[in-house]
Amino acid sequence: QVQLVQSGAEVKKPGSSVKVSCKTSGFSFSSYSINWVRQAPGQGLEWMGGIVPIYGTPNSARKFQGRVTITADGSTSTAYMELNSLRSEDTAVYYCARLDRVSYYFDYWGQGTLVTVSS
Amino acid sequence: DIQMTQSPSSMYASVGDTVTITCRASQSISSFLNWYQQKPGQAPKLLIYAASGLYNGVPSRFTASGSGTHFTLTISSLQPDDFATYYCQQSYSTPMYSFGQGTKVEIK
Repeated sequence: QVQLVQSGAEVKKPGSSVKVSCKTSGFSFSSYSINWVRQAPGQGLEWMGGIVPIYGTPNSARKFQGRVTITADGSTSTAYMELNSLRSEDTAVYYCARLDRVSYYFDYWGQGTLVTVSS
Repeated sequence: DIQMTQSPSSMYASVGDTVTITCRASQSISSFLNWYQQKPGQAPKLLIYAASGLYNGVPSRFTASGSGTHFTLTISSLQPDDFATYYCQQSYSTPMYSFGQGTKVEIK
């Protein structure tokens, strides 16, 4: 069955970086778009970016360009999201999600990773 | 960038009610519109894809319609399990996506 399992919670200092992993199984990792969506406490969902591993070139929302790096490792079927220059407003739950190839919806989600940015 | 706007932001309803949530896009997105349900502490779950397609296993009391810039999600005969937050999401501008701000359905 399709599974996306994310790395554990992180506590980071302002100005530092965080790298969240999303290990997948049960489908052909290389040919699906894996995306990152975050949710600040009490707030809505915010799409950050995504990558299709077989193509390798990631896309990201304008808001995060220059600060987010999305990568994929086909040998371990794992996607990564690294966010730099962290500030308190980056405190959020970060989700990875698989994008359906035909109708472009997010059909499978990871369990979420809480990233807390605090001095 | 395509902006998605939902209304209302929150609403109160009772078990058995019919509720309708609206989602508007800042430009035409044809039928590239999906709906998700999210409960506290959980990842979102897909309900509706391509504006009106019912996803696998989703109860038929969830219906949706719309195209262009105006979309609706209707929940008929609201059940206790339906009290949650609902999000619309556009996939027209693939590979860039965006969500509405959410609509919280609360118990009256």
